[in-house]
Amino acid sequence: NAGVTQTPKFRILKIGQSMTLQCTQDMNHNYMYWYRQDPGMGLKLIYYSVGAGITDKGEVPNGYNVSRSTTEDFPLRLELAAPSQTSVYFCASSPGTGKAKNIQYFGAGTRLSVL
Amino acid sequence: AQKITQTQPGMFVQEKEAVTLDCTYDTSDPSYGLFWYKQPSSGEMIFLIYQGSYDQQNATEGRYSLNFQKARKSANLVISASQLGDSAMYFCAMRRTDSNYQLIWGAGTKLIIKP
Repeated sequence: NAGVTQTPKFRILKIGQSMTLQCTQDMNHNYMYWYRQDPGMGLKLIYYSVGAGITDKGEVPNGYNVSRSTTEDFPLRLELAAPSQTSVYFCASSPGTGKAKNIQYFGAGTRLSVL
Repeated sequence: AQKITQTQPGMFVQEKEAVTLDCTYDTSDPSYGLFWYKQPSSGEMIFLIYQGSYDQQNATEGRYSLNFQKARKSANLVISASQLGDSAMYFCAMRRTDSNYQLIWGAGTKLIIKP
């Protein structure tokens, strides 16, 4: 019962470094999402994907890039990390079809600090 | 524009008492879905319960039920017989109608169960 798996769980970056946050799901879900959650706040959508090869911007896409080459994987790329990107990042997926089509299932999160 | 409002930033409840967490929403679309998620201190986001706007009955999942009052545009989460493990942040969310399968999130309510 893996569900949505995110790696790494924790990471510290220096300003200007780049990294990729990995996300994979084994539920054959069509839709995938990347959120960030700043301390004491709700979720903000960074990017989402409705299927392999299709991605779109959410509320806060600046400083990030995504790709979706397979149904399972949806990596998030941070280029030139800035302190403002210090946050907890969540990947989620939803079926996109059926009665539960809108229910999003989340990974455990990646806690990122940019110093 | 669609909006989700959670007016209780924090709540203290005695163990074994019932808890009601408030959520009001605003939408002009007759078809919508409402969700509740739990975020314990460990950080993961856990799906609890879903209510569709056309569902005839209030949703229930174990100790969780959703008090859905369409005319008042409220979708309150009720937790019966609260337990110490219910201490967490609780988020209400609504499906967006202008962007397939994205959710609009409330700011959350922090629930603390006292022994």
